[in-house]
Amino acid sequence: DAGVIQSPRHEVTEMGQEVTLRCKPISGHNSLFWYRQTMMRGLELLIYFNNNVPIDDSGMPEDRFSAKMPNASFSTLKIQPSEPRDSAVYFCASFGGGSDNEQFFGPGTRLTVL
Amino acid sequence: AQSVTQLGSHVSVSEGALVLLRCNYSSSVPPYLFWYVQYPNQGLQLLLKYTTGATLVKGINGFEAEFKKSETSFHLTKPSAHMSDAAEYFCAVTPASGYSTLTFGKGTMLLVSP
Repeated sequence: DAGVIQSPRHEVTEMGQEVTLRCKPISGHNSLFWYRQTMMRGLELLIYFNNNVPIDDSGMPEDRFSAKMPNASFSTLKIQPSEPRDSAVYFCASFGGGSDNEQFFGPGTRLTVL
Repeated sequence: AQSVTQLGSHVSVSEGALVLLRCNYSSSVPPYLFWYVQYPNQGLQLLLKYTTGATLVKGINGFEAEFKKSETSFHLTKPSAHMSDAAEYFCAVTPASGYSTLTFGKGTMLLVSP
């Protein structure tokens, strides 16, 4: 298996632009997580899906952020409009339903908003 | 609710020296515990995990951790540090029963000097 795939790996954009981050979970995994990592706040859970349904989005910072999972093999995290304080590394992770709750992480997308 | 405290945002050791990264957790139910490692510009990779059974667990790259319920700790150790161990290490906790998300600590950056 190729593992969790994220694209793009790097994104540089200007303030006010729309940004879309993409994630393909490991095949057969039924849960997907979006995290944000910054120096100041560490690793934060933004939202997670189970069987394509958003279960907990309490970590989404504000209405500018939205996430979708139209099918079991694809998810997007959108920021519109983007702001410099959104600059961070965004990780996607998936979980296959094992009894130990282990999550598998993608390589991340480094977002820079100028 | 769970929480994780990692003592020391940075730990410096010399190559060949003992590595000790501290993790204390808080959980109202029996926990599963994880250590993840993050190398520069990469995603998080599972190092080891405790679920049930033996409280001393061995992971990849010579690391091990011991679950001590009485101390609510899950410290990570390695007898002899290698330059390639330089990375950021995250401790995480999740309830042992039922499904839940992982709660991560703030991370500890391990620096290894020659």
